[in-house]
Amino acid sequence: SQQGEEDPQALSIQEGENATMNCSYKTSINNLQWYRQNSGRGLVHLILIRSNEREKHSGRLRVTLDTSKKSSSLLITASRAADTASYFCATDAGGTSYGKLTFGQGTILTVHP
Amino acid sequence: DTAVSQTPKYLVTQMGNDKSIKCEQNLGHDTMYWYKQDSKKFLKIMFSYNNKELIINETVPNRFSPKSPDKAHLNLHINSLELGDSAVYFCASSRLTGISTGELFFGEGSRLTVL
Repeated sequence: SQQGEEDPQALSIQEGENATMNCSYKTSINNLQWYRQNSGRGLVHLILIRSNEREKHSGRLRVTLDTSKKSSSLLITASRAADTASYFCATDAGGTSYGKLTFGQGTILTVHP
Repeated sequence: DTAVSQTPKYLVTQMGNDKSIKCEQNLGHDTMYWYKQDSKKFLKIMFSYNNKELIINETVPNRFSPKSPDKAHLNLHINSLELGDSAVYFCASSRLTGISTGELFFGEGSRLTVL
């Protein structure tokens, strides 16, 4: 079964608003990563948070990780039309899954100008 | 310079044909991957090579055969193509730290359409 489940599946907001996307997973992890995919393009890495970290920031991005609830959230503040894309969480479970990232089904974010 | 480049970007072919997708990375990474993204955007790992050695081989039909001639290249050959093989195939590379998987660098994808 799929490791990551993302919520919501689609999110539509106005420019300047904040966007929050959630990711839940099933097994213990070494780290969790977030990626962005623009339409017709490859995935681009946004941020990595380790299992012993609770929060991480990068520019307008804020990621939280709650290992007790097996969940993470990605917050994009002051969104821009250029943030329109699909956003994926991916988990690194380590162990026998070493070298393998398992992706969620993604959240489609639309930011209206 | 493109970090991870894959060719061709688009591939349209008939059922039963054999086709190949090539991937090259100039990042000096020791690990390369093939992922498949279906029409619902679900991304699933197929194979992973570390220093030319296969380390991940998910449940993929043996019609799919990866080949890594050196650690900068990972090609994917598909025999006897089927309709269900239609998807976007992504090549990616990363460093493995020894205990965890770092960030992946993806190519732009190769969209395969089987008619």
